Amino acid sequence: DTEVTQTPKHLVMGMTNKKSLKCEQHMGHRAMYWYKQKAKKPPELMFVYSYEKLSINESVPSRFSPECPNSSLLNLHLHALQPEDSALYLCASSQELAVQETQYFGPGTRLLVL
Amino acid sequence: QKEVEQNSGPLSVPEGAIASLNCTYSDRGSQSFFWYRQYSGKSPELIMFIYSNGDKEDGRFTAQLNKASQYVSLLIRDSQPSDSATYLCAVNKGRDDKIIFGKGTRLHILP
Repeated sequence: DTEVTQTPKHLVMGMTNKKSLKCEQHMGHRAMYWYKQKAKKPPELMFVYSYEKLSINESVPSRFSPECPNSSLLNLHLHALQPEDSALYLCASSQELAVQETQYFGPGTRLLVL
Repeated sequence: QKEVEQNSGPLSVPEGAIASLNCTYSDRGSQSFFWYRQYSGKSPELIMFIYSNGDKEDGRFTAQLNKASQYVSLLIRDSQPSDSATYLCAVNKGRDDKIIFGKGTRLHILP
């Protein structure tokens, strides 16, 4: 089973709203990732968690706040977003944070900021 | 030079023919290489991974890696209309365990 689930599938929010994206995997993977993907562009890495600790932050603005409450769950808290933050937000997981580990992607949350 | 380069396409291939997708990378120390398929509006789906020089086959897909020339390719035999998608090449440079994606090649299989 290589399933990563993400909720919600779609989200529309205003610039003053606070919302959260959720990602879950039950494969026993210890590395989890958040990516942002704009139309016709490749995924851009935002954050990486390894063993529930933040390992990589790709200089993401503080209006995006990740959280890893346990080894199966990854959240992305959103606050005061801008219209240019509208994108597909992808969660991925891998067995470990290691060079030969394959990342498996969830279906994504399509976010529209008005 | 971009870290991972792909021809954006579109690459049009007749149904039943072999589709050949290419990717070059700039960091000679890169260690692992992945091909993802992405349908429009969907998330990337892993097709193949390869770590060693040479060919790796899985069904209709063959990944080829040449570290000396710094390229990796994906061959799709007996192309089907359902293979029409964007194919993303991804490379792990091995230093910080991030993977870097190319911009993707749009493949169109002509019925």
